[in-house]
Amino acid sequence: NAGVTQTPKFRVLKTGQSMTLLCAQDMNHEYMYWYRQDPGMGLRLIHYSVGEGTTAKGEVPDGYNVSRLKKQNFLLGLESAAPSQTSVYFCASSAGLNYGYTFGSGTRLTVV
Amino acid sequence: AQSVTQLGSHVSVSEGALVLLRCNYSSSVPPYLFWYVQYPNQGLQLLLKYTSAATLVKGINGFEAEFKKSETSFHLTKPSAHMSDAAEYFCAVSSSGGSYIPTFGRGTSLIVHP
Repeated sequence: NAGVTQTPKFRVLKTGQSMTLLCAQDMNHEYMYWYRQDPGMGLRLIHYSVGEGTTAKGEVPDGYNVSRLKKQNFLLGLESAAPSQTSVYFCASSAGLNYGYTFGSGTRLTVV
Repeated sequence: AQSVTQLGSHVSVSEGALVLLRCNYSSSVPPYLFWYVQYPNQGLQLLLKYTSAATLVKGINGFEAEFKKSETSFHLTKPSAHMSDAAEYFCAVSSSGGSYIPTFGRGTSLIVHP
């Protein structure tokens, strides 16, 4: 029973490099989300998806892209990394509004 | 529209003392309310949830929360704090008003002193 799995767990990027964060869930959840967590800022929603093939912008989408080609996977891409994108990224999935979220363990990204 | 306010970014208690973490919400429709816990270097874990059944909700690790509509509150309590309860706690609200996005509070860090 893996739940939500995020890869990688740690990554260091140079400014301008690109990368993709992978989120996989095995609970057949329709809804998936990407958040970033920064000290004193709480959780901020980057993008989300309400089903396979759908994506939508959250609170802080600039500099990120996402794709949900398969129901179980939600990919977060950084096109050209900037130091301001240094953060801890969390993926979450949910079966619906009244079920709550299942979170992954996070990806700690440092952009130098 | 919905919002969540967690009063106090840090709460400090002694081991064995009552834990009270405050959460107030606003929602134009009946809400779903949640508490999550985040231990250091981990993701958030669902502690308990209110979804319009019993107003007193029991969760994991001895925590409970009471939904009070008149006060628009959903405070988290535990009768006796353990050292292992030291963590960040987040309150969240979602509603059936059409948004798929829950709103999270800023979090409250619980510090437990021996």
